[in-house]
Amino acid sequence: AQSVTQPDIHITVSEGASLELRCNYSYGATPYLFWYVQSPGQGLQLLLKYFSGDTLVQGIKGFEAEFKRSQSSFNLRKPSVHWSDAAEYFCAVGAWDGGATNKLIFGTGTLLAVQP
Amino acid sequence: DAGVTQSPTHLIKTRGQQVTLRCSPKSGHDTVSWYQQALGQGPQFIFQYYEEEERQRGNFPDRFSGHQFPNYSSELNVNALLLGDSALYLCASSSRDGDEKLFFGSGTQLSVL
Repeated sequence: AQSVTQPDIHITVSEGASLELRCNYSYGATPYLFWYVQSPGQGLQLLLKYFSGDTLVQGIKGFEAEFKRSQSSFNLRKPSVHWSDAAEYFCAVGAWDGGATNKLIFGTGTLLAVQP
Repeated sequence: DAGVTQSPTHLIKTRGQQVTLRCSPKSGHDTVSWYQQALGQGPQFIFQYYEEEERQRGNFPDRFSGHQFPNYSSELNVNALLLGDSALYLCASSSRDGDEKLFFGSGTQLSVL
């Protein structure tokens, strides 16, 4: 069965420091992987996605993620965190059928706090 | 260009009541999916509608039902509400002919008392 694990429930980093959020997935075939961000009271915004090709994916807001098949991981990174990055981050794995999203399986999220 | 819009933003119901949540997809999108996000959890897939039919369903009881209209908008209905149905309900839209991106609305916060 498909599943996503985000082992860190809560992370605190200082503004300007680097960030890495961990994500491990379980999926029988080549996964489609996503990172979303959710600010309080808001919906989910797509940061980046991996379907195939280059395993290092660039996203919006200076985020990137690296797909490592051997480790079943898709960790999210940012070299220098800004206070506005404080939010909850969700990793998700998806399956496609006929060119449309069937469903996404989300992890439980990592809440990021940024210290001044 | 309006994104995904959901109404209402907040709703309070009592146990046993029925509720209807509404979603208008992003312009150009024809597929609508619904997710339930309980407090402290990631969103969980409820079901997806395309061409006015339910195409795929997650692990939710029959109390959860939906509908898609010819204009692609959608409703989520929940009957016989339980306390455990309290959650943020998210609607997401996409296009079958698009780039597989899901666009999420801001959600409806449902509280069951």
